[in-house]
Amino acid sequence: AQTIHQWPVAEIKAVGSPLSLGCTIKGKSSPNLYWYWQATGGTLQQLFYSITVGQVESVVQLNLSASRPKDDQFILSTEKLLLSHSGFYLCAWSLGGARAEQFFGPGTRLTVL
Amino acid sequence: QQNVQQSPESLIVPEGARTSLNCTFSDSASQYFWWYRQHSGKAPKALMSIFSNGEKEEGRFTIHLNKASLHFSLHIRDSQPSDSALYLCASLNNYAQGLTFGLGTRVSVFP
Repeated sequence: AQTIHQWPVAEIKAVGSPLSLGCTIKGKSSPNLYWYWQATGGTLQQLFYSITVGQVESVVQLNLSASRPKDDQFILSTEKLLLSHSGFYLCAWSLGGARAEQFFGPGTRLTVL
Repeated sequence: QQNVQQSPESLIVPEGARTSLNCTFSDSASQYFWWYRQHSGKAPKALMSIFSNGEKEEGRFTIHLNKASLHFSLHIRDSQPSDSALYLCASLNNYAQGLTFGLGTRVSVFP
């Protein structure tokens, strides 16, 4: 069975500090991977996607970056946090193909003070 | 760039009632449509999908798609308090890029 794990569960960080969020998918090889951001009470905004190791495409610019160092790992990071980065960060995977369901991880709640 | 609009923003319905949620999309080339449900503080989970015009029913849930009118909808029959959640509609144009979500409809079902 496939499992998706995100870490940390929650973070409280200061404005200007660095950030690294992680996502690991087990039980599925070569998945498509996605990062989404959800403001409190808001919709899901796609940030990045990756269809293969080492390749990441940006969908929106929010002063964030992403990397896929391994087939089963997706990392979201920034060197300098902004207040506007607060929210719920969700990693998702799919098998690829237009009809493939996207499965979301449990998310990381980030509060920037 | 796909634009997905949802209505209403929120709904309060009594237990046992029928709940109807609407979604419109801007790109007539869109082909794949999803409804996701998100309980408070949890990850979204796919509820149903539809890929061709018409209707699809699964248990108490029915979805309709009309590509000509750029509209798809979700109907919940015999709504239960456990259906209380944020409902997100989404369309997918490019499978690699992922889903474009609407702003969501918050549904509250009271006993």
